[in-house]
Amino acid sequence: AQTVTQSQPEMSVQEAETVTLSCTYDTSESDYYLFWYKQPPSRQMILVIRQEAYKQQNATENRFSVNFQKAAKSFSLKISDSQLGDAAMYFCALYRPNAGKSTFGDGTTLTVKP
Amino acid sequence: DTAVSQTPKYLVTQMGNDKSIKCEQNLGHDTMYWYKQDSKKFLKIMFSYNNKELIINETVPNRFSPKSPDKAHLNLHINSLELGDSAVYFCASSQKGSGNTIYFGEGSWLTVV
Repeated sequence: AQTVTQSQPEMSVQEAETVTLSCTYDTSESDYYLFWYKQPPSRQMILVIRQEAYKQQNATENRFSVNFQKAAKSFSLKISDSQLGDAAMYFCALYRPNAGKSTFGDGTTLTVKP
Repeated sequence: DTAVSQTPKYLVTQMGNDKSIKCEQNLGHDTMYWYKQDSKKFLKIMFSYNNKELIINETVPNRFSPKSPDKAHLNLHINSLELGDSAVYFCASSQKGSGNTIYFGEGSWLTVV
């Protein structure tokens, strides 16, 4: 079975601090993509960052970066200099081209404390 | 110029009714999806269409019937609505080979009373 596991249902961070959200996945395929999506209270799903499995270099988007450990099947998201607007639910997702679909983790709710 | 748009955004209806949610994407993608997000916020795929052809049907009850008149549209019709159908339904699209990023609509909040 192809699964995505987010082991932290809730996390909190102090404003301006750094937080890391965990994600592990399971797939036997070599071609896949990993994503982090942000869902604020408005429920809009917003792409945060994307990583191709064939790329060794960790993806970075401004304050957001990933630690992609392919052998360990781990894909954590690091948010630096946390801002109040980062408060949201974060979903990790695995896309397998052969299956043509994405599987989402159960989400991590991030609270940012002022 | 919204990339993936779905209507209505909010829908309150009684048990037993039939309702439809419409979705359109202007990104030129060839794949469209319907996802369901329940009250616990778990996000599960329901259907996937590629160029109007059904690719994925994730054991969704027969009361749910998607229709794709063309590759830019994917509508969802629900018959005999039940309380458990209350959820947020997301339409989404992606293009194979172009990053495979899924672009979501804003969601349709369905409440069955």
